[in-house]
Amino acid sequence: AQRVTQPEKLLSVFKGAPVELKCNYSYSGSPELFWYVQYSRQRLQLLLRHISRESIKGFTADLNKGETSFHLKKPFAQEEDSAMYYCALTRSGGYQKVTFGIGTKLQVIP
Amino acid sequence: GAGVSQSPRYKVAKRGQDVALRCDPISGHVSLFWYQQALGQGPEFLTYFQNEAQLDKSGLPSDRFFAERPEGSVSTLKIQRTQQEDSAVYLCASSLGGTWDEQFFGPGTRLTVL
Repeated sequence: AQRVTQPEKLLSVFKGAPVELKCNYSYSGSPELFWYVQYSRQRLQLLLRHISRESIKGFTADLNKGETSFHLKKPFAQEEDSAMYYCALTRSGGYQKVTFGIGTKLQVIP
Repeated sequence: GAGVSQSPRYKVAKRGQDVALRCDPISGHVSLFWYQQALGQGPEFLTYFQNEAQLDKSGLPSDRFFAERPEGSVSTLKIQRTQQEDSAVYLCASSLGGTWDEQFFGPGTRLTVL
């Protein structure tokens, strides 16, 4: 069975401080990992996925298969980063349902 | 262009009533997903369509839940004899390809069962 663990429900950081949102997964196949974000009063939207290796809004995430992690990082938090962040897992290629984590609420303190 | 739309946005039902939730995916998107999101939780997979074919319904919690996408576009999630534990936000998402593709989410339907 596949599982996604986001250990922190709430993460508070000061503006300008580094941010790391943790995501660990359990999956026996070849994983495809995503980070989705939901800003206040907006719908859930893709932030980034590991296969694209992009930096979006200053965020990056590296897939570490040894540690089965896909932590989301940003060197300097901005107030507009305050949102709910969900880590999601599926299979790379072929069909596998998408499993979401419980989500972490990021609160950036001015 | 228009994104994924869902209707109604809010639904209050008395226990035992049947409800129907509608999803309009992005035009041309092959894949359509339904999720249930309880308060304080992440989205939980319910079912997946590829065009009109329902390829996975393993997440439907009981036989009271039924989904269809008869023409490969609009989808309806029906819940019969609603129970209080069905109260949640129901999210619909569509993607151009399969589950490995970016999913575009609708605003959700908040269902409250009294």
